Amino acid sequence: DSGVTQTPKHLITATGQRVTLRCSPRSGDLSVYWYQQSLDQGLQFLIQYYNGEERAKGNILERFSAQQFPDLHSELNLSSLELGDSALYFCASSPTGVFYEQYFGPGTRLTVT
Amino acid sequence: AQSVTQLGSHVSVSEGALVLLRCNYSSSVPPYLFWYVQYPNQGLQLLLKYTTGATLVKGINGFEAEFKKSETSFHLTKPSAHMSDAAEYFCAVSHAGNNRKLIWGLGTSLAVNP
Repeated sequence: DSGVTQTPKHLITATGQRVTLRCSPRSGDLSVYWYQQSLDQGLQFLIQYYNGEERAKGNILERFSAQQFPDLHSELNLSSLELGDSALYFCASSPTGVFYEQYFGPGTRLTVT
Repeated sequence: AQSVTQLGSHVSVSEGALVLLRCNYSSSVPPYLFWYVQYPNQGLQLLLKYTTGATLVKGINGFEAEFKKSETSFHLTKPSAHMSDAAEYFCAVSHAGNNRKLIWGLGTSLAVNP
C-alpha cells in the first residue's frame, strides 16, 4: 500500500459525459501528479500540482482539467468524454525533499461506452 | 532535454534465468534514475532509485541496477527470475530543479516461462 488513495476504482460512463476522479496523496506529500495509461499510448503524464498550484503540464487535453485543494487532495475532471478516453488514470504523490520518487495510487479504470 | 529509452518492449526469460532490462537515458545534468514495476491491474511501485553515491543500487524483490555514467545506462538485473516477476517495468529519469517531474520510458513487459 503506497498510501495514495484514488476513488472510484472503476467508472463506466457514456460518450459526452463528464466525470471526476479523486486522489488523496500520502500524508505530508505536497506534489500530486496525474497520469493516463492506455494500451496504445502507454503511460502519459497529464499534469502536476504542488501545494495547490499547477507546476507542469503534459499531454493533457483541453477537455480535461485538474485542481488541488487546500487539504492537498486533487481532482481530475474529464468532460465531453470520447471512446478514446477509456484508460487507467493514476495519481501519484511525491515527498518534499530533494529526490523525486513518486508513489502511485491503485488507479481508476475509466470505461467510456 | 532529458529522455529515456528502454530497449525491448517485451523480454521473455525462463524461471531461474538472469533478468536484464535495459535503460539508457539522456541528460545534460546529473540524473536521478528510477525503476518502477507494475503488476497486472495495479499501480506502479518503486523498485529502486539512484540519486547520488554508490552506483550499484539494490531494490526490492532481489533486483538491482547499476548507474554507468560513461554509458548513460541504468540497466535492471536480477540473478534468478521467479514467476512472480512477470510484470511491466518502467525506467524514469529526473534531475534537481526539474519541478520534480519524471521523464518515463515506454516500459518493458517481462514474461517468465516455467
